[in-house]
Amino acid sequence: KQEVTQIPAALSVPEGENLVLNCSFTDSAIYNLQWFRQDPGKGLTSLLLIQSSQREQTSGRLNASLDKSSGRSTLYIAASQPGDSATYLCAATGTASKLTFGTGTRLQVTL
Amino acid sequence: EPEVTQTPSHQVTQMGQEVILRCVPISNHLYFYWYRQILGQKVEFLVSFYNNEISEKSEIFDDQFSVERPDGSNFTLKIRSTKLEDSAMYFCASIKGLAGPRGGELFFGEGSRLTVL
Repeated sequence: KQEVTQIPAALSVPEGENLVLNCSFTDSAIYNLQWFRQDPGKGLTSLLLIQSSQREQTSGRLNASLDKSSGRSTLYIAASQPGDSATYLCAATGTASKLTFGTGTRLQVTL
Repeated sequence: EPEVTQTPSHQVTQMGQEVILRCVPISNHLYFYWYRQILGQKVEFLVSFYNNEISEKSEIFDDQFSVERPDGSNFTLKIRSTKLEDSAMYFCASIKGLAGPRGGELFFGEGSRLTVL
């Protein structure tokens, strides 16, 4: 059974810092890994999708990497802004089509 | 930009009542999903739906739950007799899925918050 873990659970950084969020998964037989952003009481906004054959994806200030063999993915946020404050979730798609979600990292970017 | 829309945004119901949550997936998408998130917990898979039938369901999705695509646009989740533990945010999602359900990006709605009293 796939288990997805995210560390840290919470992170507070000053504006302008670069930061890395970590995601690990126990079953390396994944089809893809997706990173989402969730604002309090809101839905999930897709940020990046990495296919199992890819090593990384970039969108603006965001860069996500995937290392299937070690069961890890990272989300790198460059030059963080207060508007980046949210919970970031990773989710892996396995042999079934469902996503298995991590517990999330709650990010606070301070002025 | 096309989006998944859900109604209602919040519903309060009494234990034992039936609830129907509605979703309009993105129009050219083929695979549809319901997930839920109990406050403070992980987002959990409930059910996937393709070609007018359930393709997969979790152990949470028991006989009290059902899904339907009554027309070409709506996708509904029905809870027959709600329990206190059904209180959660319910998310609908869809994927284009031209190459199957695992190849692409999953798009989520804003969620329907269900409170069972």
